[in-house]
Amino acid sequence: RKEVEQDPGPFNVPEGATVAFNCTYSNSASQSFFWYRQDCRKEPKLLMSVYSSGNEDGRFTAQLNRASQYISLLIRDSKLSDSATYLCVVFTSYMDTGRRALTFGSGTRLQVQP
Amino acid sequence: DGGITQSPKYLFRKEGQNVTLSCEQNLNHDAMYWYRQDPGQGLRLIYYSQIVNDFQKGDIAEGYSVSREKKESFPLTVTSAQKNPTAFYLCASSRDRDYGYTFGSGTRLTVV
Repeated sequence: RKEVEQDPGPFNVPEGATVAFNCTYSNSASQSFFWYRQDCRKEPKLLMSVYSSGNEDGRFTAQLNRASQYISLLIRDSKLSDSATYLCVVFTSYMDTGRRALTFGSGTRLQVQP
Repeated sequence: DGGITQSPKYLFRKEGQNVTLSCEQNLNHDAMYWYRQDPGQGLRLIYYSQIVNDFQKGDIAEGYSVSREKKESFPLTVTSAQKNPTAFYLCASSRDRDYGYTFGSGTRLTVV
């Protein structure tokens, strides 16, 4: 089982639509959670951190459910410029090995159409 | 402006050659990372370094080597032992886990 799982999509939505992405993670000891955006053939860029209390940044809302090990991203009023791949990312610190690093999901591709 | 610089942007390697990918940051970040991305797949961790003169293997370290002699620099060598090196290589750095990573613009390596 992958440590971070996402629906690969693609999600094809019209402009103005609301779209939701979901992600699950397998390690209950994971500590920090993020959504990154990656445009075609470019590097990933941090979109937002994700907190249990939920957090909002303009049209974007992220939510974490630690009990279910589930992370979500909601995009309201989709714009053409939102077309990209959205990566669910989890930070885990492993006490046995000392490893501290981000683990990336494979990404969900969004295509917003006019 | 602070950031991470990766070079070259495109690199072509002949079979049996070693090549070194450069990664330099001026963000004063302690931790640096190398990831590999294959088409349609997520990023996989190759090596990481949390402080100068120390580095650890990630999930796919075989066929790669790194050094961390300076805080600003974390070069990655793709050796001839790496049998399938064609991929998009991304370097990242972080100050703290809660701030996420900053990525360089990547190097596309192709074996010819």
